[in-house]
Amino acid sequence: QQQVKQSPQSLIVQKGGISIINCAYENTAFDYFPWYQQFPGKGPALLIAIRPDVSEKKEGRFTISFNKSAKQFSLHIMDSQPGDSATYFCAARGTSGTYKYIFGTGTRLKVLA
Amino acid sequence: NAGVTQTPKFQVLKTGQSMTLQCAQDMNHNSMYWYRQDPGMGLRLIYYSASEGTTDKGEVPNGYNVSRLNKREFSLRLESAAPSQTSVYFCASSELGTVGEKLFFGSGTQLSVL
Repeated sequence: QQQVKQSPQSLIVQKGGISIINCAYENTAFDYFPWYQQFPGKGPALLIAIRPDVSEKKEGRFTISFNKSAKQFSLHIMDSQPGDSATYFCAARGTSGTYKYIFGTGTRLKVLA
Repeated sequence: NAGVTQTPKFQVLKTGQSMTLQCAQDMNHNSMYWYRQDPGMGLRLIYYSASEGTTDKGEVPNGYNVSRLNKREFSLRLESAAPSQTSVYFCASSELGTVGEKLFFGSGTQLSVL
């Protein structure tokens, strides 16, 4: 049973536009929320991450917005570039000593030149 | 630095055959993981090892076994492969529970079971 729901499944954005990917979680026993970026034929790589005591984190063109009460978090890619075309996964890390990660189903982003 | 190395990169099996996927990391991480990636399903945890000598089941452990051979190596075994195990398999490692924890993934093994 998927505990982290990610949308949309795919996204097409014009160069220079804003890409927004949303995730929602059900379990409150998560303490860390990373986003991973995956290019074809490669393993995922950490892009940016946030802890639940912070509402927003920005790194360059990438921003995570976190709403603890709504159990939602989102990735915003500003000034999207063709090189951002990839699959993005949100994730949540469980606590209770296990620190297991639950991943969303992924969003395939295509940025048109 | 090699990071996380997985072998093989591609494999085709017949139903019922067995095989072992190998994974090694050179970052001295305590924790290692095996995930499978299927279209529309994201990454699902098969097994993980929080530290050398320990292993635990993830979301989808049925049909798989693992061995944490030492701190560096974590192998995944399919005893009797089934078509439902056709997938891309990723090994990952991390330093468990740290602030800013990062999963380091290998480049994957594409497995087809006919």
